[in-house]
Amino acid sequence: GAGVSQSPSNKVTEKGKDVELRCDPISGHTALYWYRQSLGQGLEFLIYFQGNSAPDKSGLPSDRFSAERTGGSVSTLTIQRTQQEDSAVYLCASSSQGGGNTEAFFGQGTRLTVV
Amino acid sequence: KQEVTQIPAALSVPEGENLVLNCSFTDSAIYNLQWFRQDPGKGLTSLLLIQSSQREQTSGRLNASLDKSSGRSTLYIAASQPGDSATYLCAALTGGGNKLTFGTGTQLKVEL
Repeated sequence: GAGVSQSPSNKVTEKGKDVELRCDPISGHTALYWYRQSLGQGLEFLIYFQGNSAPDKSGLPSDRFSAERTGGSVSTLTIQRTQQEDSAVYLCASSSQGGGNTEAFFGQGTRLTVV
Repeated sequence: KQEVTQIPAALSVPEGENLVLNCSFTDSAIYNLQWFRQDPGKGLTSLLLIQSSQREQTSGRLNASLDKSSGRSTLYIAASQPGDSATYLCAALTGGGNKLTFGTGTQLKVEL
């Protein structure tokens, strides 16, 4: 596609349920990032995928969070046993091979509300 | 650990003013610095990217500068317009090119 696509755009779920958020990066981009933005806060790094390398999971807030990237393209962020503090906008970005001219492009985000 | 700070947190100016947004980072070993715009309820739109070897980049009324040694970048907006109202975020790419660290943003309001 022309840009980074995220789905769903909005998700309301009950506390304790599992959710899956999807990100389709720009075709050919090898790097993919997930960030979280809570209301009125900055962007919090969650996880980074680069090609076939092991992902950088250093930002995942707890073991309820996991992400995978299949075939080096589509990524899914899974939150198990959701809690109210998980409510936030989850943003995905992709970029070409790392380096000084690497420009990151963001999707429109998934707004997750846990009730 | 890279830390990125943006000052001011919020800014309100009358239409037509020139303004400067500031971004500072603690680890000067960056690959690049990118400025983004975020409108309420929307994703991030890339405005300008400055590579670590560059000093500035320009796009229309926007000019971004980078001083790696002092850990600072500025975004200059000329002749501001109400449509410029948004939150502006800077992000530094560090750590082997694997992590974009964001500032908390400057919320800009340009009034008629």
